Amino acid sequence: EIVLTQSPGTLSLSPGERAILSCRASPSISSSYLAWYQQKPGQAPRLLIYGASSRATGIPDRFSGSGSGTDFTLTISRLEPEDSAVYYCQQYGSSPPYTFGQGTKLEIK
Amino acid sequence: VQLVESGGGLVQPGGSLRLSCAASGFTFSNYNMNWVRQAPGKGLEWVSYISSTSNTIYYADSVKGRFTISRDNAKNSLYLQINSLRADDTAVYYCARESAGIFGVALTDWGQGTLVTVSS
Repeated sequence: EIVLTQSPGTLSLSPGERAILSCRASPSISSSYLAWYQQKPGQAPRLLIYGASSRATGIPDRFSGSGSGTDFTLTISRLEPEDSAVYYCQQYGSSPPYTFGQGTKLEIK
Repeated sequence: VQLVESGGGLVQPGGSLRLSCAASGFTFSNYNMNWVRQAPGKGLEWVSYISSTSNTIYYADSVKGRFTISRDNAKNSLYLQINSLRADDTAVYYCARESAGIFGVALTDWGQGTLVTVSS
């Protein structure tokens, strides 16, 4: 089973700053199978990034993904208040189970 | 694309439920589908996968032997039969559609979820 470990657990930043969220995979995975989701309270998750670095339809370019192998990063530039959410990485499409990381909560001060 | 789950509710430990997901706005028979759940205040947990033709099915270890995923392409519907329910099965259950792009594959579309509560 592939284990995804996200850090930090919580991130508190101000509007306009940049957030850097980490997702570490063990063992390594192909970048084709790493996705990032955003979830706001009371809402379903929303796909942000797939294939480690490709933005999903309608996602602003403030959101970017990078990484390969075991280390992946979601970067959110120019933070806005509506970016407050929990962010999850997931390995999907390689070998099941298609595990999620435990999530990073992003708070905008 | 619209995915609408139904069938959740309050059930006693050891009981059963059948969740449904009605799909519209796309050719359902062309897409692989998944169930994902989220316990109250907890993170996301992938539950099960079914290929477009039902030929390939996967389950999380936590539900293997108790849950059964199925689909009816003629009715544009996805199902999850959940048996021998336990308190730790209490969660919002989401259906999600897989889509593949040039650079990868992911769960691109999600329903709003249906709540299953297991309690006596």
